[in-house]
Amino acid sequence: DQQVKQNSPSLSVQEGRISILNCDYTNSMFDYFLWYKKYPAEGPTFLISISSIKDKNEDGRFTVFLNKSAKHLSLHIVPSQPGDSAVYFCAASPDYKLSFGAGTTVTVRA
Amino acid sequence: DTAVSQTPKYLVTQMGNDKSIKCEQNLGHDTMYWYKQDSKKFLKIMFSYNNKELIINETVPNRFSPKSPDKAHLNLHINSLELGDSAVYFCASRLGHYNEQFFGPGTRLTVL
Repeated sequence: DQQVKQNSPSLSVQEGRISILNCDYTNSMFDYFLWYKKYPAEGPTFLISISSIKDKNEDGRFTVFLNKSAKHLSLHIVPSQPGDSAVYFCAASPDYKLSFGAGTTVTVRA
Repeated sequence: DTAVSQTPKYLVTQMGNDKSIKCEQNLGHDTMYWYKQDSKKFLKIMFSYNNKELIINETVPNRFSPKSPDKAHLNLHINSLELGDSAVYFCASRLGHYNEQFFGPGTRLTVL
């Protein structure tokens, strides 16, 4: 039973434009949310996170938004760059045990 | 310097064999994890150790046995390998009360 869902398996975006990745969760006990980026044949690397006491966290080109009432978070990448082409995983945690979504493959077109 | 390392990177073996995957972290973290990424690409937690003590043990067949000789190492031993064990296995570590986990490069296990 997947408690974290990424309903878009893939996203294609032009270089320089905004990439928006979405994630929904069902467990109201989740209080910390993370995004990971994964290249082929490598492990996931931590990208950005947000605590449930906030609704926005920004780090350079990456911004994560959290809507607790909707149990929804999103990752915005602006501007998108070719090196951003990867699989992005959303993860959530109530107690240091991460539950992951299935991932969204982002392709940035030149 | 590699923060979380796993060996081997690829492992091909026959059904019924016993194999081990090793994980080491040089980050000084006190909690380590094993995850399995199946053919549907879901990353699912299997085990977690904190300072050599087992703290998370998900519903995993008892053919899988983790071993933590010290807090920098967490190995995974699998007995009587089955076709369904084919997957990519990731090790990860975390420090103290921080939620961020740092992952190794993964071990692709193929059972023939």
